[in-house]
Amino acid sequence: GQNIDQPTEMTATEGAIVQINCTYQTSGFNGLFWYQQHAGEAPTFLSYNVLDGLEEKGRFSSFLSRSKGYSYLLLKELQMKDSASYLCAVSDSNYQLIWGAGTKLIIKP
Amino acid sequence: GAVVSQHPSRVICKSGTSVKIECRSLDFQATTMFWYRQFPKQSLMLMATSNEGSKATYEQGVEKDKFLINHASLTLSTLTVTSAHPEDSSFYICSAVDGTSDYNEQFFGPGTRLTVL
Repeated sequence: GQNIDQPTEMTATEGAIVQINCTYQTSGFNGLFWYQQHAGEAPTFLSYNVLDGLEEKGRFSSFLSRSKGYSYLLLKELQMKDSASYLCAVSDSNYQLIWGAGTKLIIKP
Repeated sequence: GAVVSQHPSRVICKSGTSVKIECRSLDFQATTMFWYRQFPKQSLMLMATSNEGSKATYEQGVEKDKFLINHASLTLSTLTVTSAHPEDSSFYICSAVDGTSDYNEQFFGPGTRLTVL
């Protein structure tokens, strides 16, 4: 079956760095997405990886290893507004997104 | 950037009534739109994939006669929850793919919170 695993919840301190991991097992792979979702709102696109390596975009970076079925989202210089759920999603062989359950990130002052 | 709107944002209805939710891509044409449902503290659950001009493809366990989807144009898809019951209360979110974007990512509407009394 298809499976996306990510931690349920993480806590970090304002100004610090946090890494949210995602492992996947899917039928085919056409890229991995990270989305941010604030409570009561719809998800917003953060990043996309289809080749191995690190993609950096401002304070956020995303890494992919296809051979390991592994990705992480790295958030630097954490701000209180970064408190949200972070969703990992993999595009399978049919280009359908398989969603992880999301990681709730709690930022403490 | 690509913008997707949804209407209404909130709806409260009595059990047994039908509710229509609209999803529009405002500045791009979306050949494919998706409908999701999300219960509190859970991830997105794909309900159906909607293609313009053809019948929607429903995920296993989703009743197509209860959740009617119409993708009438390249910028509009509607979801009608027929004979709604309290267990249908949820956060319904649509998304659309802009085929001209770099990553074919899904752009999400703001969601519709449905409460069935």
